[in-house]
Amino acid sequence: DAGVTQSPTHLIKTRGQHVTLRCSPISGHKSVSWYQQVLGQGPQFIFQYYEKEERGRGNFPDRFSARQFPNYSSELNVNALLLGDSALYLCASSTDLGDFEKLFFGSGTQLSVL
Amino acid sequence: GQQLNQSPQSMFIQEGEDVSMNCTSSSIFNTWLWYKQDPGEGPVLLIALYKAGELTSNGRLTAQFGITRKDSFLNISASIPSDVGIYFCAGHSSSNTGKLIFGQGTTLQVKP
Repeated sequence: DAGVTQSPTHLIKTRGQHVTLRCSPISGHKSVSWYQQVLGQGPQFIFQYYEKEERGRGNFPDRFSARQFPNYSSELNVNALLLGDSALYLCASSTDLGDFEKLFFGSGTQLSVL
Repeated sequence: GQQLNQSPQSMFIQEGEDVSMNCTSSSIFNTWLWYKQDPGEGPVLLIALYKAGELTSNGRLTAQFGITRKDSFLNISASIPSDVGIYFCAGHSSSNTGKLIFGQGTTLQVKP
């Protein structure tokens, strides 16, 4: 079975642009979470969606938004990119909200903002 | 953003040695998790702890959920070269459904 897939794997943008990152969860998983991992740090929680509804939001500005589609895939959008948005963006899927033993991470999208 | 205090930041050890790392928080957690992340990959779950005082093993790995619910440690016995990577602790409290708070990571290097 395929794991959590994210696209693209790498992306280069310039300040002020916007970006859309995509995530396909493991088949049967209804929850998708997004994390930002700055180089040398642990992942920081951005959003969690379950059954297409937002169920959690981290301490990120309104430039960050996300949504989950009927097939449970998800998009993370970031507007007005800043240099500090450069990071590895991780998507994780799970069967349920708090089922951490069935929470799996994708390999991430490496975003560079120049 | 909020992060757990994880130490040490890095370790360079000889193959066969035991390793210990720990994580502390100012907040109480109901779940403690330990992950390993290899370059170019997402974190992979090693051990999950759900009860204060719980001691759980997974092969050469042993982790404990602190009695105060504000700390956890991970031990790796008889390290081997494939243990190289970055280890993260993560905590979850029921008031933040699904949200994990991660530590800064411990980078482990093993010399054959």
